[in-house]
Amino acid sequence: DIQMTQSPSTLSASVGDRVTITCRASQSISTWLAWYQQKPGKAPKLLIYKASSLESGVPSTFSGSGSGTEFTLTISSLQPDDFATYYCQQYYDYRAHAVTFGGGTKVEIK
Amino acid sequence: EVQLEESGGGLVQPGGSLRLSCAASGFTFSTYWMNWVRQAPGKGLEWVATIKDDGSDQWYADPVKGRFTVSRDSAKRSLYLQMNSLRADDTALYFCARDGITDGLYFDSWGQGTLVTVSS
Repeated sequence: DIQMTQSPSTLSASVGDRVTITCRASQSISTWLAWYQQKPGKAPKLLIYKASSLESGVPSTFSGSGSGTEFTLTISSLQPDDFATYYCQQYYDYRAHAVTFGGGTKVEIK
Repeated sequence: EVQLEESGGGLVQPGGSLRLSCAASGFTFSTYWMNWVRQAPGKGLEWVATIKDDGSDQWYADPVKGRFTVSRDSAKRSLYLQMNSLRADDTALYFCARDGITDGLYFDSWGQGTLVTVSS
């Protein structure tokens, strides 16, 4: 399976900060990558698909970039509602490779 | 509004079986691939299974292959997960998730999950 490694695992930040989360794939996945936000006790919410496409209704403060093996999720100005755990997910050639998620990055209040 | 509502979770002994259901509304169920994703307590997300829109093909994660079966009933707008030979490490919150509208397998809508606990 393709392994997805997120860093950092925990991030402390303040409202208004610019935040960047990194996701690395164990092999090239082109741009077949999604990002999700999950709050405690809630279902994940899709933020970004195809590495950089913003899901409808998601604030423009969220952006995604990258291709191949290295990807980033950026929150340009952290809002109180953004404190959550973020997961990346690869879906490269899903018929041959299992869909896999990164281990998650928890964004905490500093 | 897309709605997915899981049911059927509960406490089951190791080696037992359970059938999860997911009721869909707010979209044309028969045109979407559907998925199950699970999350063990305090852990990350793990894809479990996918079924095509017409039910003609399914994919499974290695840990559940041969034990779990995903199916769907378009007339009832429902997705199912039959889980057999359950093990302690199957304990998790099981989410039903809809496939994204563009190419690829990502998940654009999720239910709230149903908890499966495997314990004696």
